[in-house]
Amino acid sequence: AQSVTQLDSQVPVFEEAPVELRCNYSSSVSVYLFWYVQYPNQGLQLLLKYLSGSTLVKGINGFEAEFNKSQTSFHLRKPSVHISDTAEYFCAVSNTNAGKSTFGDGTTLTVKP
Amino acid sequence: GAGVSQSPRYKVAKRGQDVALRCDPISGHVSLFWYQQALGQGPEFLTYFQNEAQLDKSGLPSDRFFAERPEGSVSTLKIQRTQQEDSAVYLCASSLTGTSGTRALEQYFGPGTRLTVT
Repeated sequence: AQSVTQLDSQVPVFEEAPVELRCNYSSSVSVYLFWYVQYPNQGLQLLLKYLSGSTLVKGINGFEAEFNKSQTSFHLRKPSVHISDTAEYFCAVSNTNAGKSTFGDGTTLTVKP
Repeated sequence: GAGVSQSPRYKVAKRGQDVALRCDPISGHVSLFWYQQALGQGPEFLTYFQNEAQLDKSGLPSDRFFAERPEGSVSTLKIQRTQQEDSAVYLCASSLTGTSGTRALEQYFGPGTRLTVT
């Protein structure tokens, strides 16, 4: 079995400030890790993924995440946020080639002017 | 190109009614997933198809839930005798292939169908 814990349900931050959204996972086998963004009334959009190789992964919109196997974490970061980054962010884990994913409960990022 | 589409976008059903939710995946995508997203929670896996074969239905919450993909493209999720606890957003996702490889794991999500059972 696998699970995902997103440690912060809400993260308020001012525009142009850095942000980190935290994600921890548990799994008995090797995993693939994902971050998705969901804007209101829309589906999920993939931000970035870790499959293998370099533990620092860069994604779209200036986001990056670092896979830390010893701490079973995959935190999402952005050095300077914009108002348009306000959305719900989901961390997900998959341990099969079929791609079935287990999601966290999400973190609401609110960027204030 | 066209993404994953779902219809209807919104559905209101009276308790006890049957509903059918449609998903049109990206053309050529082999894998198709259904997820249920309750308010304030992350998506939860319901079922998975590779072409027309339903390879995993472990997430379907009861025998009132049924999914099909008869020709390996469009899929329908059917809920019989709807209950209030079925109220949620139902998300469909597709991916290019069910075999191993990095692109296999990249799921493309539709906008979802918001089901409200009154």
